[in-house]
Amino acid sequence: GAVVSQHPSWVICKSGTSVKIECRSLDFQATTMFWYRQFPKQSLMLMATSNEGSKATYEQGVEKDKFLINHASLTLSTLTVTSAHPEDSSFYICSARVTGGFGETQYFGPGTRLLVL
Amino acid sequence: AQTVTQSQPEMSVQEAETVTLSCTYDTSESDYYLFWYKQPPSRQMILVIRQEAYKQQNATENRFSVNFQKAAKSFSLKISDSQLGDAAMYFCAYRNRDDKIIFGKGTRLHILP
Repeated sequence: GAVVSQHPSWVICKSGTSVKIECRSLDFQATTMFWYRQFPKQSLMLMATSNEGSKATYEQGVEKDKFLINHASLTLSTLTVTSAHPEDSSFYICSARVTGGFGETQYFGPGTRLLVL
Repeated sequence: AQTVTQSQPEMSVQEAETVTLSCTYDTSESDYYLFWYKQPPSRQMILVIRQEAYKQQNATENRFSVNFQKAAKSFSLKISDSQLGDAAMYFCAYRNRDDKIIFGKGTRLHILP
């Protein structure tokens, strides 16, 4: 089946620094990727939709200047948490959709745990 | 806006027994997808089963089956012959025409040996 990877799997950083998380579709092309955030013992909340070659679409309440998303190729999307603060500590998950439009399966990455000290 | 509600935060079932997890949703769309995802302690999201709204037949995947009641906007998951490996967080999810997935709050399933 289709595989989505994320790197790093976990990261600890100091407050004020920026952290980049990569999401890769390993064996398929993904025109669209999605970024989610999951707080402990809570559900996944969609942060943004990333389309290859265009600007990401952010959900209401998500700061686009805080969470920079770049989808430079059909297999890679990156999420950069800029000037990270302790409240940004969370579990970040990406998913990638096989090119083809509505109805195509989305595959989830294993997630990245971010801890900001 | 679409919403997904899981009213059971936690459930327990004896190994080899059957358990049903409940889910209701709200939408004004007629064409959509519904899913059940499993999230084990590793936190990797695993697709358990999916249902297309225009299909009346309930989806099944081995020991997992759904009861899809479109008019009632209900989408429950039945797990038969429960196994220890089924212990996990289960999320009901709705995928809309914009391809966005909205998740319920989840039900933590415990399997009792």
